[in-house]
Amino acid sequence: GENVEQHPSTLSVQEGDSAVIKCTYSDSASNYFPWYKQELGKGPQLIIDIRSNVGEKKDQRIAVTLNKTAKHFSLHITETQPEDSAVYFCAASKTGRRALTFGSGTRLQVQP
Amino acid sequence: NAGVTQTPKFQVLKTGQSMTLQCAQDMNHEYMSWYRQDPGMGLRLIHYSVGAGITDQGEVPNGYNVSRSTTEDFPLRLLSAAPSQTSVYFCASSLPGQGAEQYFGPGTRLTVT
Repeated sequence: GENVEQHPSTLSVQEGDSAVIKCTYSDSASNYFPWYKQELGKGPQLIIDIRSNVGEKKDQRIAVTLNKTAKHFSLHITETQPEDSAVYFCAASKTGRRALTFGSGTRLQVQP
Repeated sequence: NAGVTQTPKFQVLKTGQSMTLQCAQDMNHEYMSWYRQDPGMGLRLIHYSVGAGITDQGEVPNGYNVSRSTTEDFPLRLLSAAPSQTSVYFCASSLPGQGAEQYFGPGTRLTVT
C-alpha cells in the first residue's frame, strides 16, 4: 500500500520567515495530495490540496509544489505568523480510493 | 450546520470493557471514516463507509467494529478495550469522489488502563 513520509517532525521559525515541509510518497498511482492543519485540541482541517496534473498551487501565503517524477510534494508558508503554529499533515490518495494515507505530521512553531 | 460531531470528548476504560464512539454529520455526506491518531504516526484509517449499509476495513481494523444504518451516523465500537487502543479517534466525512474535502470532527481522546 501507499506510504507517506514527512519531514521534519518539528520546525521552529521566527515570525516573518518562511517554512517548508516536505513529503514523499511511494505509490506512483497516487494523484491527490492534500495538506491539513491541526490546531491543539481540534480535528485536522484542509488548508490546500494539489492534483497530479498540476505542478504548483498557491493560496495567499500558502503554496504546494509537486514533483511526480521524484514522488515528493512540499508545503511552503511565507511570512509566517504566530497563528500558523500548529501540526501540519500531508496525505495522499489515488483514483478509486477515497481514504487518505497520512504523513506523520510536522509541529510548526512560529516564534514572535 | 454542526458539521461533524463526536461524543464523548474524553473517555477512560478498563481493559476488557466495551464502548461505542459516536459520530454524526449533517452535511449529507456519503463517505465517512474513522481514524486513530497516535504520537509520531499521523492518522491511520480504521474503517470507512461509502454509504448507508456499506462498510469496509482500513489499515488498522482489528478490535473495532462499525455499522452504517443511516447516512448521518457512523458509530465505532470497541469490543474489548486494550491498552494499545489508547489514542485519539477522529471521524471524518466527505462528498463522493476522490479528492473531495474530508471534514474532521473534534476527536475523542480514549485512555484504556
